Amino acid sequence: DIQMTQSPSSLSASVGDGATFTCRASQSISNYLNWYQQKPGKVPRLLIYAASSLQSGVPSRFSGSGSGTDFTLTINNLQPEDFATYFCQQSYIIPYTFGQGTKLEIK
Amino acid sequence: EVKLVDSGGGLVQPGGSLTLSCTTSGFTFGDYPMSWVRQAPGKGLEWVALIRTKGYGETTEFVASVRGRFTVSRDDSKNVARLQMNTLKVEDTAMYYCTRTSRILGGSHFDYWGQGALVTVSS
Repeated sequence: DIQMTQSPSSLSASVGDGATFTCRASQSISNYLNWYQQKPGKVPRLLIYAASSLQSGVPSRFSGSGSGTDFTLTINNLQPEDFATYFCQQSYIIPYTFGQGTKLEIK
Repeated sequence: EVKLVDSGGGLVQPGGSLTLSCTTSGFTFGDYPMSWVRQAPGKGLEWVALIRTKGYGETTEFVASVRGRFTVSRDDSKNVARLQMNTLKVEDTAMYYCTRTSRILGGSHFDYWGQGALVTVSS
């Protein structure tokens, strides 16, 4: 199975700051990498698919990049509603696997 | 509006069975693979199962930990997917989410999610 490792496990930032999340795959997954946001008690929400494509309805302050084994999710100008946990997920090969998540907290 | 509604969760004893249903609307159900993703309390997300479309033989895939115990089916005439869970274990306790699986640019992603069905396996 492909292991997905996210770093850091938690991140503190202030409203208006930028935030960068990293996801590393245990083998090359081309660009088959998705990012999800989950708020406490809520359903996960797709943000980015195919490493860099913004899902419809997601604000443009979210962006994704990377290919192969290393991927990045960037949020510019953090808004209060962005404080949540972010998961990456590979769809290169079944079983699809998720990273353990990065929790973005308010500083 | 795309909508997925999960139902059928509950409390079950170890070794028992439970069937979850995912009732969908707002899209052509038969055109999409469907997946189930679970989340144990306080933990991360785990993909559990996938059922492909009729055009791909409605073939199924499972994570190793549930293979042989879980089955997944679909009824395109009713826009419903089901996850049949047998021989349940304590470690299967989780919120189970039905998800629409979209394929674009060669990869798959879960673009719409049900609200979740809580499965608790305990004696």
